[in-house]
Amino acid sequence: EPEVTQTPSHQVTQMGQEVILRCVPISNHLYFYWYRQILGQKVEFLVSFYNNEISEKSEIFDDQFSVERPDGSNFTLKIRSTKLEDSAMYFCASRGSPADTQYFGPGTRLTVL
Amino acid sequence: AQTVTQSQPEMSVQEAETVTLSCTYDTSENNYYLFWYKQPPSRQMILVIRQEAYKQQNATENRFSVNFQKAAKSFSLKISDSQLGDTAMYFCAFINSGGGADGLTFGKGTHLIIQP
Repeated sequence: EPEVTQTPSHQVTQMGQEVILRCVPISNHLYFYWYRQILGQKVEFLVSFYNNEISEKSEIFDDQFSVERPDGSNFTLKIRSTKLEDSAMYFCASRGSPADTQYFGPGTRLTVL
Repeated sequence: AQTVTQSQPEMSVQEAETVTLSCTYDTSENNYYLFWYKQPPSRQMILVIRQEAYKQQNATENRFSVNFQKAAKSFSLKISDSQLGDTAMYFCAFINSGGGADGLTFGKGTHLIIQP
């Protein structure tokens, strides 16, 4: 069964450093999403992406964040200058159409020291 | 803006018992989808069940079923014959059916513990 994959599973970085989190959505899916879950809290929507551009973004998704689909398979989330409060689990999700369910990847745990 | 409320932070039941997790939501939309996701200690988000708001029939998936009350904006999850592997965080989630741009809105979750 096709699945969303994410790399790395765990990323440790120093405050102020740039990080890139990578996702490979399910191959025939067209809509892509990033979510964040701070430890012990609920999952929060960051951004949606369709047709090579951002469709919607939350207030969390400020200028420090960017997304890209650099090729036909990868979907990346870049945090330009990480802060301590960026420490969280980051989930990528994809779906084939607006009527479909969103399928989540296993997440990347980001630790900012 | 939509909101999703899960009023039970934690629940604990014995193996083989039936347990119901509650979820209420608030929206002005008429067409939407509701979901329950399971998050085990691995923190993977796993779809449990999905309900389309236009369907009156409650969704079922093996031991998992929902009680969807559209007028009351209530969407509870019933787990029958609970198993140790059901121990996890359970999140209720909402999304408009209008387009693909919207993200899911999640509740704060219920930590379900199945005792042997």
